[in-house]
Amino acid sequence: QSALTQPPSASGSPGQSVTISCTGTSSDVGGYNYVSWYQQHPGKAPKLMIFEVSKRPSGVPDRFSGSKSGNTASLTVSGLQAEDEADYYCSSYAGSNNFEVFGGGTKVTVL
Amino acid sequence: EEQLVESGGDLIQPGGSLRLSCAASGFTVSSNYMSWVRQAPGKGLEWVSLIYGGGSGTYYADSVKGRFTISRDNSKNTLYLQMNTLRAEDTAVYYCARPHSSAYPWAFDVWGQGTMVTVSS
Repeated sequence: QSALTQPPSASGSPGQSVTISCTGTSSDVGGYNYVSWYQQHPGKAPKLMIFEVSKRPSGVPDRFSGSKSGNTASLTVSGLQAEDEADYYCSSYAGSNNFEVFGGGTKVTVL
Repeated sequence: EEQLVESGGDLIQPGGSLRLSCAASGFTVSSNYMSWVRQAPGKGLEWVSLIYGGGSGTYYADSVKGRFTISRDNSKNTLYLQMNTLRAEDTAVYYCARPHSSAYPWAFDVWGQGTMVTVSS
């Protein structure tokens, strides 16, 4: 069982928005601003999409945005495109005992 | 271009040992935090181990503590993961990864292609 809780699936039509939640505790998501989001296509390595809750690495479209409220972080993908169909994982620093924890992943389907 | 290439994955019997390698190019392993992250078939990601850049400092997930050892060879610019007393639940694709910033060890933006470890009799 993953430390962070994500919905197993989410979907939207092209051009629509989809938001994925990532729920943890005050010991991880709620305690630190070190939440990251990764996109993973089948058979490929994960790709960093968001770091430090809401920052985008160079090259990541601004359609991807992150936020956090309390113990729950969220990733929003606006203007859905076919290539956004993938698995998305959140992660968070969880202190010096557990270090980095991941969510179970959310499969995003573009209808 | 910054790149990581893993190797060493194999089919191994329970209780056996295996060493994974991760060759880096385009940057220096010794001056960066480096981690191993694994993904069991059809499952999510799991952080496994971290080694600090520069000085010493190695850390492990509870699931592998005492069985796995992370290390690096600066002359070869290569990261390693020595895995002992392997169990069926260690079956996974193993990725090496480097964080986006040198300021802290997380938010991995450089990943290898992964190497498959299968523990089965």
